[in-house]
Amino acid sequence: ETGVTQTPRHLVMGMTNKKSLKCEQHLGHNAMYWYKQSAKKPLELMFVYSLEERVENNSVPSRFSPECPNSSHLFLHLHTLQPEDSALYLCASSLSGGNEQFFGPGTRLTVL
Amino acid sequence: SQELEQSPQSLIVQEGKNLTINCTSSKTLYGLYWYKQKYGEGLIFLMMLQKGGEEKSHEKITAKLDEKKQQSSLHITASQPSHAGIYLCGADNAGNNRKLIWGLGTSLAVNP
Repeated sequence: ETGVTQTPRHLVMGMTNKKSLKCEQHLGHNAMYWYKQSAKKPLELMFVYSLEERVENNSVPSRFSPECPNSSHLFLHLHTLQPEDSALYLCASSLSGGNEQFFGPGTRLTVL
Repeated sequence: SQELEQSPQSLIVQEGKNLTINCTSSKTLYGLYWYKQKYGEGLIFLMMLQKGGEEKSHEKITAKLDEKKQQSSLHITASQPSHAGIYLCGADNAGNNRKLIWGLGTSLAVNP
């Protein structure tokens, strides 16, 4: 039990679909992160929200659209994805200005 | 070459044996984080090191930071099957612990 939950755990979608990934943290943190983990590549930071404001956007294609409605929830909206977007998407949270990040279990995304 | 090199890439040890995993940064280290990941799951925080010469232990796992060498080592004593997984290091190279650089991971198998 890490205090960070992600849904769904698995998702298969076509390239024309629109779907959303959800992340929720119950740790009282105020910074939230989206990461992409692909085989044989380092973990890639996609977005960071601190105090509900996006503070990092690492040149992520616009087909990925994050949303942070409050400090406990983070979404990643997906549309017209490509097969190379298939990966494990991890959400994390931390205290802003704090140290360690706490990770959710991830969503395994497959784009057909 | 990677900004953060982990070695070895994979390791198979007999239960009860000691082992060491290394993480070397090409840039100055402001902080170094160790995580463990079970395949396809989220990352579990192990330890964070910030000061040169710092050493931390958790159960049978010890991590050290050699700031001059820009390197950290993770040592497991008397390994158990429960230690199996992927060990990842994350480096703060900019004094911004929200934007970590990650290694590719070391896959550890422990044979009973």
